[in-house]
Amino acid sequence: DVKVTQSSRYLVKRTGEKVFLECVQDMDHENMFWYRQDPGLGLRLIYFSYDVKMKEKGDIPEGYSVSREKKERFSLILESASTNQTSMYLCASRRVGSPLHFGNGTRLTVT
Amino acid sequence: KQEVTQIPAALSVPEGENLVLNCSFTDSAIYNLQWFRQDPGKGLTSLLLIQSSQREQTSGRLNASLDKSSGRSTLYIAASQPGDSATYLCAVPPGTGANNLFFGTGTRLTVIP
Repeated sequence: DVKVTQSSRYLVKRTGEKVFLECVQDMDHENMFWYRQDPGLGLRLIYFSYDVKMKEKGDIPEGYSVSREKKERFSLILESASTNQTSMYLCASRRVGSPLHFGNGTRLTVT
Repeated sequence: KQEVTQIPAALSVPEGENLVLNCSFTDSAIYNLQWFRQDPGKGLTSLLLIQSSQREQTSGRLNASLDKSSGRSTLYIAASQPGDSATYLCAVPPGTGANNLFFGTGTRLTVIP
């Protein structure tokens, strides 16, 4: 079974803090993704990576950056957290053409 | 830009009933479509992936169909159970050759015992 692990289920941070969300997959997948999910807006892509050190912006990259130094790990960074970044963050991975697999999500609250 | 619509937004059915969930998309040049379920507060679980060359995929009580020309997919759930209560989402790539997926906003299903 594919396993996508997100380091935290719940996270509370203060405005202006730098926040790191970590995601690890165990299936040697080339593609990894970060989405955020908000009520009424659905899932929106923040960034994705198609290989180590390679990344592409999604629909809403502003205020975020990513890092993929190793194939199994994809990190999302909130450079200076703001209250409008309070959301559920979902990491996913897949081999090209195969099903997308998600982690359990990180619910981030920025106060 | 690919747009994905799921109607209805919510559905309640009595246990044992067969039901159909709908997904429509605007750009028919897709190479696959994926169905997911999401339980409250959790991530998404992949249910079925249909390649563009296929018309149907089955897994247990679930059957998904794909009609690219009309931009539609359906997820059929047979003999529904309370454990099927969840939000069901469909997702498609934005046309050909892309790695990303566009998601519908989902149908929240409640199966009443």
